Parts: sequence; structure tokens; C-alpha cells
Amino acid sequence: DSGVTQTPKHLITATGQRVTLRCSPRSGDLSVYWYQQSLDQGLQFLIHYYNGEERAKGNILERFSAQQFPDLHSELNLSSLELGDSALYFCASSVMGGSNEKLFFGSGTQLSVL
Amino acid sequence: DQQVKQNSPSLSVQEGRISILNCDYTNSMFDYFLWYKKYPAEGPTFLISISSIKDKNEDGRFTVFLNKSAKHLSLHIVPSQPGDSAVYFCAASAPGNNRLAFGKGNQVVVIP
Repeated sequence: DSGVTQTPKHLITATGQRVTLRCSPRSGDLSVYWYQQSLDQGLQFLIHYYNGEERAKGNILERFSAQQFPDLHSELNLSSLELGDSALYFCASSVMGGSNEKLFFGSGTQLSVL
Repeated sequence: DQQVKQNSPSLSVQEGRISILNCDYTNSMFDYFLWYKKYPAEGPTFLISISSIKDKNEDGRFTVFLNKSAKHLSLHIVPSQPGDSAVYFCAASAPGNNRLAFGKGNQVVVIP
């Protein structure tokens, strides 16, 4: 158990809908990262938050947004969903979010857009 | 643009033998490299890492080798055990850039 909690584990929805994925980092970790893993793809970095502030953005679509709350949990919002958004979404956390830090991953949310 | 590349998507090895996984990277700014292991229905778990100031790091049955001039690293697992059957991801980060770039992963199957 990594200590990172993601909910829900599975989500099935329809095109055009909006969903929210939730992540609770390990106790004491200030940084939260979101990654997307599509079929046959590695993990693609989406966004990084540190102590409530956005630190870095990767290949995150404009239809996607995220935030980190004062209690350090984070939510990833996906709107106007398309079939291609079906993927495994991982949240990870680290203590500070600095260089040379390993990330601890949750077990992911499997999103299926039908 | 895939900055971290893992070829040979799958590997089958006999229990007790050595498993060797390879990873190439293109970004010369990368200075920290990690290997993660992933079982089905679980998130990736950290396995071993190496800083660019070293060329080898060992932890039990796992050893990572780094060849900076070739922009290549490898993971050796010896002896391989059935519990090592998983997908292995290579990842890297650059200074001041605290996000990891991942390869697509290698499926390892250890045959008892």
C-alpha cells in the first residue's frame, strides 16, 4: 500500500459528460501529480501541484483541470469527455516535489467513455 | 515526443536466470533515473533509482546501470523469481523539473 488513495477505482460514463477524479496523497506529502496511461502508452504527465499551487503542466487538454485543496487532496476534472479520454488515470505524491524525489502512486482510476 | 524509450515490450525468462531490461533516453538534461514495477490493477511502485553521478546502483537482486555517454540504462534482476512478473517502467527527470518522464514499459514473465 503506497498510502496514496484514489477514488473511484472505476468510472464509466458517456461522451460529453464531466467527471471528477479524487486523490488523497500520502500523509505528509505536499506534492501531487496526475498522470494518464492510455492503451499501449507509458504514463503521460498531466499536471503537478505543490501545497495548493500549480507547479507544472504537461500535455493536459484544456477540457481537463485540476486543483489541490488546503487539506492537500487533489481533484482532476475532465469535461466534454471524448472516447479517446478512456484511460487509466494515476495520482502520485511526493514530499516536496523537488528533483531526485521518487513518486508514490495510487492504484489509479480506470475511466471508460462510451 | 517520447524522451524515454523502452524497446522489446515483453520478456520471458526462466526462474533463477537473469532478466535484463533496457531503456534509452534522448534528453541530455536528465540526471535522475528510476525503475518502477507495476502489477495488474495496482499503481506503479518504486523499485530502484540512480543519479547521474553514479554508473551503478544495487539493491538486493536489482541492479541499475547507467551509461551517460550512450544515454542508456539497464535494469538487471538476478535471480529472477515468479513474483517479479510485472510491467517495468523506466523513468527520468531533469534538474528543477520534478516531473518524471516514463517509457512505455516492459512486460516481464518469469517462468517457474
